[in-house]
Parts: sequence; C-alpha cells; structure tokens
Amino acid sequence: QVQVVQSGAEVKKPGASVKVPCKASGDTFSSYYLHWVRQVPGQGLEWMGIINPTTGSTSYAQKFQGRVTMTRDTSTSTVYMELSSLRSEDTAVYYCARARGAADGIDYWGQGTLVTVSS
Amino acid sequence: DIQMTQSPSSLSASVGDRVTITCRASQSISRYLNWYQQTPGKAPKLLIHAASSLQSGVPSSFSGSGSGTDFALTISSLQPEDFATYYCQQSYSMPYTFGQGTKVEIK
Repeated sequence: QVQVVQSGAEVKKPGASVKVPCKASGDTFSSYYLHWVRQVPGQGLEWMGIINPTTGSTSYAQKFQGRVTMTRDTSTSTVYMELSSLRSEDTAVYYCARARGAADGIDYWGQGTLVTVSS
Repeated sequence: DIQMTQSPSSLSASVGDRVTITCRASQSISRYLNWYQQTPGKAPKLLIHAASSLQSGVPSSFSGSGSGTDFALTISSLQPEDFATYYCQQSYSMPYTFGQGTKVEIK
C-alpha cells in the first residue's frame, strides 16, 4: 500500500524559510518521481516542481526559481521542499505527491502541510 | 509556460445529469492531459491520465477525451459524491500547469 506522509502545520515569520518533509512508503524509492503542488486557501492548484529521488535531479517552476530547493535523503526515503524568503502570499497547503514517471498523472498525494506566514 | 483554460469555472447540476467540463491548452500537448477531483479539505484525486485512461478504482461514469489542445471530462450520471472541484493538468512540458478548476455544485 503506497502512502505519502507529510508533516504537520508550520507557522513562519515573513522572511524566514520552511523545510517540509515528505516520506513515501510502500514502494521502492527509485521507482517514482515526487511533485510539490501548493494551494493557497480558496484558490486552485499550483505546480511548484519535481524531484527524481534516485538521481536527485530537479525541475522548478520559474515562479519559484531562486527560492525553492527540493532535496532527498535516500537513507530515510524522504524528500524535502524548502522555500525561502517567505511572504504572506506563500500561506498555503503544500502537497507532496507521487507519479510513476515524470510525465505520468500524479496518483498518490500526501495529506498536505499548511504553512502559515504571519508576523 | 503552457496555459490551461477550463470552462466553465462553475456549474450547477442535478443528480443523474450528464456533465462535461472542457480544458484547452495554449499549445499542443498531444495526450499528456490528466484530470483530478478535489473535495473540500482533501488532497486531489487522479481520475483520468493520458487524456482518456481511467485511473484504477475510478467509476466508469467518468471518461476523458481529446488530444492536441482540446480535451473534455464527462461524468455520464452525476452522483452525490461527484460534487467537487475538477482540475486538468498538462504533463507535456514543465512546468506542469493546472487549469483554474471547475466547481460542480448541486442545483
């Protein structure tokens, strides 16, 4: 049974960084890709980027270039999404989600991590 | 970036109705088009991948069609659990953009 598990909510101050972990279990670490998708409250889905857990290679949406870093820890089968220079507009639910191939539909989603940016 | 435009943005329908949502890409994406369903407070759920392939476990009342730039998601007979927001997403080239969503509400 594939599961994608994310951490609980985070509260950060403007200008700070947040690092959100995501652990996928029930499948081999090397057999899928992990996407990060965010959703501002009341708004639609926004694709942030993708990481290949096997190679560590990443691709980011231009909007987040320079502020986002996706990494992986193969020893714990965990990937991380770090977003820096946080502003109030970054308040959102951040989803980690799995796809079998880079261009495949995203078939397993985490429960989401709410990141609140507030002074 | 490829822009994905869904229509309508919202619709009201009754249980048993046939509903069609369309999605248009700003350039050809072949058949790299996925559809998701999201209910409030929940993560999205994959319904259709590769334009018309039904994801395992998804009712056959859902179907997808199209290629190139024009796509459609059809629900043949709307059920109470189908009232949700639906999103298309292209996976042809990164960034893998989503449509703005279509909210299906009870009439």
